[in-house]
Amino acid sequence: ETGVTQTPRHLVMGMTNKKSLKCEQHLGHNAMYWYKQSAKKPLELMFVYNFKEQTENNSVPSRFSPECPNSSHLFLHLHTLQPEDSALYLCASSQEGQIYGYTFGSGTRLTVV
Amino acid sequence: DQQVKQNSPSLSVQEGRISILNCDYTNSMFDYFLWYKKYPAEGPTFLISISSIKDKNEDGRFTVFLNKSAKHLSLHIVPSQPGDSAVYFCAAGGGLTGNQFYFGTGTSLTVIP
Repeated sequence: ETGVTQTPRHLVMGMTNKKSLKCEQHLGHNAMYWYKQSAKKPLELMFVYNFKEQTENNSVPSRFSPECPNSSHLFLHLHTLQPEDSALYLCASSQEGQIYGYTFGSGTRLTVV
Repeated sequence: DQQVKQNSPSLSVQEGRISILNCDYTNSMFDYFLWYKKYPAEGPTFLISISSIKDKNEDGRFTVFLNKSAKHLSLHIVPSQPGDSAVYFCAAGGGLTGNQFYFGTGTSLTVIP
């Protein structure tokens, strides 16, 4: 496997469920990100991890909980979500110090019912 | 407040003609700019970039122009091809923002055969 892999590709969950999104990068990068893409909005940065340490939390509600066990894996734990949280959740990775942008995964299309 | 803006949500161009996608930014500290292309059900993929020390960067049919005084950049695609139909995101970052990039809302390009 190469690049950035996200699972699942699609997820439908009820407001009382608990689920997790997974991201894995095979690029040897040391920074990983969660982005949210909603219709007609810019890509919104949610969380940033550098060398497994969280360095950014852009006022994300606590019903979203990230976890970065190592520099290759990133999770987003979801609980008691709202319908407005339905969106495409994108994971990305990059190499600290090399400013050529990110490599994105294909995303998880989340629908909260 | 949105730091990167793409004011045209959509653009339609005839095959073979030039496509021009525009992007404006507000933070003069940004020193690196990127364009990403996104097909449905896929994550954004890196297309072309430009650093603030340049005003033009060309890669095949794709050229990015940067006007720092106007805080404006544009992506030119010529000649446009039906396979170019996708959503194009502009991103800006670097400088004091480090490896964090800010994205626009995207422009959906349709190239008509």
